[in-house]
Amino acid sequence: DIQMTQSPSSLSAFVGDRVTITCRASQSIKNYLNWYQQKPGKAPKVLIYAASSLRSGVPSRFSGSGSGTDFTLTISSLQPEDFATYFCQQSYSTPFTFGPGTNVDIK
Amino acid sequence: QVQLQESGPGLVKPSQTLSLTCTVSGASISSGSYYWSWIRQPAGKGLEWIGHIFSSGSTNYNPSLKSRVTISVDTSKNQFSLKLSSVPAADTAVYYCARGVVSSSGYYYDLDVWGQGTTVTVSS
Repeated sequence: DIQMTQSPSSLSAFVGDRVTITCRASQSIKNYLNWYQQKPGKAPKVLIYAASSLRSGVPSRFSGSGSGTDFTLTISSLQPEDFATYFCQQSYSTPFTFGPGTNVDIK
Repeated sequence: QVQLQESGPGLVKPSQTLSLTCTVSGASISSGSYYWSWIRQPAGKGLEWIGHIFSSGSTNYNPSLKSRVTISVDTSKNQFSLKLSSVPAADTAVYYCARGVVSSSGYYYDLDVWGQGTTVTVSS
C-alpha cells in the first residue's frame, strides 16, 4: 500500500494568513493526488484533484502543487470558513489511501 | 445536482453483517465516467477507503477488508450497496458513499460527491 503522510498535523493561524500544508507519498504517485476539506460532523469536500486542478465552485484562494512524492496545498488568505481538517488522498493505485489530516484552527 | 444518500441500520451486533445502501439522485449510476465508492471514518480518526464498483459490476476492494466485503450495484434502482460480514467492534464508524471520477484516459481521479454519512455502531 502507498503510505501518505502530512505535515503539520495541526496548525493555528490568523484570518488573512497564508497557510501551506504538505503531503508526502511513500512512492511516486505522479499527479494522482487529491485534497479534501472536512468540517466537524460533515462529509469531506474535494478542493483539488490531480494535484493542482481546482474543483468547480472552490474558491481560488486554494491551490495545489507537486508531483511524484511531494505535494502542497496552499490557502493564500485564510478565511473564517476555512478552519477545518484537510486530508490528502492518492488515487494512483488501489487501495486508495488518505493522509492522517491537518487540523487548521484559529489563533 | 447529484446527491448520494446512505441508508441502513445504525446498530449491528458483533459477528453479524453490516449492510448499507447508497441511493444516487440527479445522475445515472450507469455513467461510464464514474466509480462508486465506500469510505469509513472511526470517530476522531482518519479516512479508510473500503472499495468501489463500476456500473458494469467490476469491483475493487481494500485488501485489509477484502475477505469480508461485498459491494454490489443495482442500476435499475440507481443504488449501490455495501455488505461487511463478521463485524467486530472495530468496524464502528461513520460510513460514507461517494462518487469517484474517471479520467478520459481511464485513470482514477477524486471523490467529487459524497453522501452525508451514516453512523454504524457495532455493539451487543
